[in-house]
Amino acid sequence: AQTVTQSQPEMSVQEAETVTLSCTYDTSESDYYLFWYKQPPSRQMILVIRQEAYKQQNATENRFSVNFQKAAKSFSLKISDSQLGDAAMYFCAYRRRNNNDMRFGAGTRLTVKP
Amino acid sequence: GAGVSQSPRYKVAKRGQDVALRCDPISGHVSLFWYQQALGQGPEFLTYFQNEAQLDKSGLPSDRFFAERPEGSVSTLKIQRTQQEDSAVYLCASSPGPTHTEAFFGQGTRLTVV
Repeated sequence: AQTVTQSQPEMSVQEAETVTLSCTYDTSESDYYLFWYKQPPSRQMILVIRQEAYKQQNATENRFSVNFQKAAKSFSLKISDSQLGDAAMYFCAYRRRNNNDMRFGAGTRLTVKP
Repeated sequence: GAGVSQSPRYKVAKRGQDVALRCDPISGHVSLFWYQQALGQGPEFLTYFQNEAQLDKSGLPSDRFFAERPEGSVSTLKIQRTQQEDSAVYLCASSPGPTHTEAFFGQGTRLTVV
C-alpha cells in the first residue's frame, strides 16, 4: 500500500516566486524521518531537506523549508525565490527509524518559468 | 569514489534475456539499497545490504530478481528471463551505516525490455 501521497502531479512557478509542494503520509509510528528529494533529468536523486518526526521545529535549508504537521501527517515543501535550476521532479519520502525501506510518493514535476 | 556509480546507464534487453546491473557505492559505505522506478512513479524499495549481508529482500518482485554484494562493496542486481514489465530505472543508493538517515543515490540504469 502506498504510504506517501503527493496530490500534485505538476506544479509551475514564476522565477523568483514562492511555490509549495504538498505531501501527506500514513503511518501508525511515532518515530520516523521525512525527506524531500529532487530528481533532475540526470535521474540522480538529490536530498533537498529532511525532518525528524520527534523534532517540532520545521527544517530549513537556505531557500527550502518545510511545514511539518505531525498530527495531520502532512509534510509540505516551500521553495522561496525559485530559480530555473529548481526545475525537476520532487519526491516526498518516509522512513521509519531503524528500517531500511524508504517509501516514496509518486512525485511532483516542478516547472520554473523565466 | 566521489559518488555512487552505476553501470550501464542504459540497457536494452530482449524479452527472455538475463541482465546484470552494477552499483559501485561510495567508498566505505556500509549500507546499500536497490530501488526500482517505473516511468512516472516514485522509486520502490527492492533490497538492502549491510556490508555483504542481504538483510532485507522483501521488495524483490519475483524470484527472477537476485542481488549480491559478495565483498561488501560493489553490488550486482541480476534479472533473469526479463519481461516487459521489468522495464524501469534501477537506482542504487548507499549510506555510511544503518543508523545514518541520508542515502546517496546513483544516476540509475534505465532498462528497456523489448
